[in-house]
Amino acid sequence: QVQLVQSGAEVKKPGSSVRVSCKASGGTFTSYTFHWVRQAPGQGPEWMGWIIPILGTINYAEKYQGRVTITADRATSTAYMQLSSLRSDDTAVYYCARDQDGTGSYLTYWGQGTLVTVSS
Amino acid sequence: DIQMTQSPSSLAASVGDSVTITCRASHSISTYLNWFQQKPGKAPKLLIFAASSLQSGVPSRFSGTGYETDFTLTISSLQPDDFATYYCQQSYKIPHTFGQGTKLEIK
Repeated sequence: QVQLVQSGAEVKKPGSSVRVSCKASGGTFTSYTFHWVRQAPGQGPEWMGWIIPILGTINYAEKYQGRVTITADRATSTAYMQLSSLRSDDTAVYYCARDQDGTGSYLTYWGQGTLVTVSS
Repeated sequence: DIQMTQSPSSLAASVGDSVTITCRASHSISTYLNWFQQKPGKAPKLLIFAASSLQSGVPSRFSGTGYETDFTLTISSLQPDDFATYYCQQSYKIPHTFGQGTKLEIK
């Protein structure tokens, strides 16, 4: 079965960077799109960006342009999201998610989430 | 960005009731509309994709309709497990924006 296993919780200082990993199992890694979604405390989900590993295509929400980098390592079936210049309002649970058919149209599988806390 | 507006923001209902949640897109999104259920401390769970297609394993009391800008999620015969927060999301145009959520509570 499909599993997305994310790295553990992080506590970061303002101005620093964080990298969250998402290891996929079940299914061919390059056949799908991988998305990153974050959710601040008490707020709704917010889509950050996606990567299509087989094409190397990456798109980011404009809000995060210049601060976020999404990558994928096909050898280890792992997707990564790095966010730089962290601020206190970046405190959130960060999720990776995968689609079902490679179109990116709907997110069927989700990781368990990674809490990133930004605090001085 | 395409704005997704859900209503109501919260809703109280009883077990056995039928409820409807609406989602309106600021631009036409055809049927690129998904519905998720989320419980505290858990990742969102896909219920409905492409406006009206029921995700595998989701009970048939969940149904979705709509096209272009106006969409609904209906839950018939509410069960105790259905009390959660529901989100719509458009996947027509990047960024794939979510609605602000509808919290379904027990009356």
